[in-house]
Amino acid sequence: RKEVEQDPGPFNVPEGATVAFNCTYSNSASQSFFWYRQDCRKEPKLLMSVYSSGNEDGRFTAQLNRASQYISLLIRDSKLSDSATYLCVVNGGVQGAQKLVFGQGTRLTINP
Amino acid sequence: NAGVTQTPKFQVLKTGQSMTLQCAQDMNHEYMSWYRQDPGMGLRLIHYSVGAGITDQGEVPNGYNVSRSTTEDFPLRLLSAAPSQTSVYFCASSYSIRTEAFFGQGTRLTVV
Repeated sequence: RKEVEQDPGPFNVPEGATVAFNCTYSNSASQSFFWYRQDCRKEPKLLMSVYSSGNEDGRFTAQLNRASQYISLLIRDSKLSDSATYLCVVNGGVQGAQKLVFGQGTRLTINP
Repeated sequence: NAGVTQTPKFQVLKTGQSMTLQCAQDMNHEYMSWYRQDPGMGLRLIHYSVGAGITDQGEVPNGYNVSRSTTEDFPLRLLSAAPSQTSVYFCASSYSIRTEAFFGQGTRLTVV
């Protein structure tokens, strides 16, 4: 089983729609969680960190469920510029504390 | 402030050749890492370093060497290139494992 699993998509949604991505992780000792965004042929960039209480940044909302080892990202009122691959990232936990583990990414395309 | 600088951006090698991918950061980050990204596989950790003089293996270390003689630089050496090492390589740095990772622009390597 992969340490971090995501639905690879692709997700094709119309502009203005709400879209949600999910991610599960296997290491219960993981302590830090992130969503990164990667545009085609570019480097990944941090979209937002994910906190235990959930957090929001404009149209983006991230949630963490430690009991189910599950992370989610919700994008409201999607824009054409949201088209990208979204990467779920988890740090390795106590034994692998210095390792960031990436999911394979979920590809999103927003259609006009 | 350049962030994370990777060189070269593109490289073609013949099987059996060796080369070094360069990575430098000017943010005084202790944590640096190398990833490779292949279609459908996401980013996989090759080697990482938590400070000058300290390195450790990631998920896919075979065929690669690293060293960290200074805080700023973290070169990745391919000892004897193989076609299976054809990939996009990203270097990243962060203040700690719990904070945002900044990526270089990537090196697209083809081994023929």
